[in-house]
Amino acid sequence: DTAVSQTPKYLVTQMGNDKSIKCEQNLGHDTMYWYKQDSKKFLKIMFSYNNKELIINETVPNRFSPKSPDKAHLNLHINSLELGDSAVYFCASSQVVAGELFFGEGSRLTVL
Amino acid sequence: KQEVTQIPAALSVPEGENLVLNCSFTDSAIYNLQWFRQDPGKGLTSLLLIQSSQREQTSGRLNASLDKSSGRSTLYIAASQPGDSATYLCAVGSDSWGKLQFGAGTQVVVTP
Repeated sequence: DTAVSQTPKYLVTQMGNDKSIKCEQNLGHDTMYWYKQDSKKFLKIMFSYNNKELIINETVPNRFSPKSPDKAHLNLHINSLELGDSAVYFCASSQVVAGELFFGEGSRLTVL
Repeated sequence: KQEVTQIPAALSVPEGENLVLNCSFTDSAIYNLQWFRQDPGKGLTSLLLIQSSQREQTSGRLNASLDKSSGRSTLYIAASQPGDSATYLCAVGSDSWGKLQFGAGTQVVVTP
């Protein structure tokens, strides 16, 4: 019974396409996050939602749009994909803002 | 801007030896600090969360210390096992909004 689950796990697409990654957590947490891990393995926060409200919005191209339909779900939509968007995208959740983080297994996006 | 450094980048130890992993950060005004492990192709697993008011946290064979004044945290793993082989990441939270700054990690190999 996966606590934080992401779909799809792998995504290969062409430049210019639009794609979405979905995330669901069954931990009853209030806060969810999107992190990006680049080819050098650095993890950087992109967005955070608390009770469906956006609380962190890092310097991310506006081609990236998060959506939180409810507390248990946080999706990431990416428009006009570029080569540099290739990375592993991790969803995470915490019971409260700035609490202990629980991560999903990641979604590896490859843009050709 | 907070910078987090983990040295060494890689470490190999024989089974049974104690592991000492270092994390340093440039701004001592932190909110909390978390240690994670990441297995290849997997998400991050939370190991320990230390609040800024705490000096250390312990869980089983793991102990993490925090010295804000010197900008350091150390993760000790007692009596290492091959199953401890993974990349260990330190992440510093500088505010109450949950934005974490990650180090690049230390890749650990425990040889039988």
